[in-house]
Amino acid sequence: EPEATQTPSHQVTQMGQEVILRCVPISNHLYFYWYRQILGQKVEFLVSFYNNEISEKSEIFDDQFSVERPDGSNFTLKIRSTKLEDSAMYFCASNLLDSPYGYTFGSGTRLTVV
Amino acid sequence: AQTVTQSQPEMSVQEAETVTLSCTYDTSESDYYLFWYKQPPSRQMILVIRQEAYKQQNATENRFSVNFQKAAKSFSLKISDSQLGDAAMYFCAYRSAQGAQKLVFGQGTRLTINP
Repeated sequence: EPEATQTPSHQVTQMGQEVILRCVPISNHLYFYWYRQILGQKVEFLVSFYNNEISEKSEIFDDQFSVERPDGSNFTLKIRSTKLEDSAMYFCASNLLDSPYGYTFGSGTRLTVV
Repeated sequence: AQTVTQSQPEMSVQEAETVTLSCTYDTSESDYYLFWYKQPPSRQMILVIRQEAYKQQNATENRFSVNFQKAAKSFSLKISDSQLGDAAMYFCAYRSAQGAQKLVFGQGTRLTINP
């Protein structure tokens, strides 16, 4: 089964810096998501994106975060001013509208804030 | 809001034996989907098996099967003939059939396979 492509696989950034995490979802998928997983903890929903707008976001997804799909293929997550607690694995995911199936997850980006 | 609970932080099983991972969930909805995801040390999220709530028949995928008890809101995963490659974190997840379809995950169960 194909998976979404995420870049970079690992990024180290200094606290306060902006980072952009990139994802190329499966081409015919319509819903897009970002999740994060702090080391050793469960996977948490951040945001869902459909029809070029946010359809749902969690409490974690505050003003420091933004998403966009600038060119119809890439799906990006931006963190404006990173904090130490933003260190985590970030997964993008996608699925077909009203699909009964689970998502297709990307391979993840490990973000380390120092 | 929906919640998913995995009460077993860690499980271990002898190679070739059978192991069952537990999952319970809480929802007021009648139509939803349930999933088990595997996360090996590479930390990739791999879909193992899925179950539609409206289906009474339990899903099976080769050595993996579920015991779905809708009234009890229970969704356990059985792994038969355990293999070393099954060692991973296993996450149970819930998804509503309506709305934006986000996944709600449990805390995970770390499965160790003893040779």
